[in-house]
Amino acid sequence: AQKVTQAQTEISVVEKEDVTLDCVYETRDTTYYLFWYKQPPSGELVFLIRRNSFDEQNEISGRYSWNFQKSTSSFNFTITASQVVDSAVYFCALSGAAWQFYFGTGTSLTVIP
Amino acid sequence: DAGVTQSPTHLIKTRGQQVTLRCSPKSGHDTVSWYQQALGQGPQFIFQYYEEEERQRGNFPDRFSGHQFPNYSSELNVNALLLGDSALYLCASSPGPRDYGYTFGSGTRLTVV
Repeated sequence: AQKVTQAQTEISVVEKEDVTLDCVYETRDTTYYLFWYKQPPSGELVFLIRRNSFDEQNEISGRYSWNFQKSTSSFNFTITASQVVDSAVYFCALSGAAWQFYFGTGTSLTVIP
Repeated sequence: DAGVTQSPTHLIKTRGQQVTLRCSPKSGHDTVSWYQQALGQGPQFIFQYYEEEERQRGNFPDRFSGHQFPNYSSELNVNALLLGDSALYLCASSPGPRDYGYTFGSGTRLTVV
């Protein structure tokens, strides 16, 4: 079974603070992909990152960074020096052999100016 | 370059009615997937269309059906609407059925009363 758990339902931070969004996944597939998407109030899902199961290197892209640890089945997302424009719902997703997305329930991030 | 276009943006229907939602994929994309996102939840995969055929299907009843046209656009049909069908319906297009270069539309907000 494929499952993604985002235990944090809502997070509020003050602008310029760092924030980490947690994602834990379950899969029996040996090859799989992990994703993070951002959903602003307009509704569309905006792609942020994709990682395959064989690449555990952490990645940094500007103020965003991702920590993938297979040992704990986690794929956490950190925003450094948060900004008001970062306010959105963030989804972690998993796709395995069936090539379908399995999304978590999302974390709503509010950045307070 | 237009992204994924969905219509209508909002829709109100009565229980028992039927509804058709439409999606035009991003230019260059030939695969369309549909997702249902209930309020406060992550998107759930409904089905995927490629070469005018349903290629994969999630755990949704037969009341949910679809179609893909030769120009790659797609329709999602839901019959015998239930209150629980109220959700944001997202369309995503990709360059192929096994390509993760998804682009999501802004969705159609369906309310069943």
